[in-house]
Amino acid sequence: GAGVSQSPRYKVAKRGQDVALRCDPISGHVSLFWYQQALGQGPEFLTYFQNEAQLDKSGLPSDRFFAERPEGSVSTLKIQRTQQEDSAVYLCASSQRDRGFGYTFGSGTRLTVV
Amino acid sequence: AQTVTQSQPEMSVQEAETVTLSCTYDTSESDYYLFWYKQPPSRQMILVIRQEAYKQQNATENRFSVNFQKAAKSFSLKISDSQLGDAAMYFCAYRSVRPNSKLTFGKGITLSVRP
Repeated sequence: GAGVSQSPRYKVAKRGQDVALRCDPISGHVSLFWYQQALGQGPEFLTYFQNEAQLDKSGLPSDRFFAERPEGSVSTLKIQRTQQEDSAVYLCASSQRDRGFGYTFGSGTRLTVV
Repeated sequence: AQTVTQSQPEMSVQEAETVTLSCTYDTSESDYYLFWYKQPPSRQMILVIRQEAYKQQNATENRFSVNFQKAAKSFSLKISDSQLGDAAMYFCAYRSVRPNSKLTFGKGITLSVRP
């Protein structure tokens, strides 16, 4: 596609519910990042994929967070047993290869846990 | 670990005037990349300008320019001839040159433009 697509755009989850957030990167983009952006804050790194390999998951805040990219294109970020502190915007970014340039970001998924 | 600090939470500028947004960072690396991103209400991060640390010349992109002071670890963004469409959150970000490095963002600054 022409840009990075994320769905859903908004998600309201009851505390304890599992959620899955989807990221469709630009076709052919090798690198894919997930970031978490709390209200009024800057994005914070969660995890990184190069093709289907998850090379860095040091930013995942707990074992309730899980990400996958099984075929090296679409990625899913899953949060199990959601808690109120998980409320944030989840941003996905991709790039053609590992370059020192800026990445193309999606518009994010705003997750609200009630 | 690298850190990025944006100490001004909000700034306001009159349309057509010039505004400077401040950013400082801390790193032990000698080579790296610095970025300014714009985030409008649509939430999509848009790259405004990029600076490679090994380049002494300050980057410019039309109305946007940076003042990169490597020794002081300062990276400010100047917006000239401000337009209403410039109103947004602006984030300063750092990236190592090491492969597979993540972006480290500051907390951001909200810029409003007065007509």
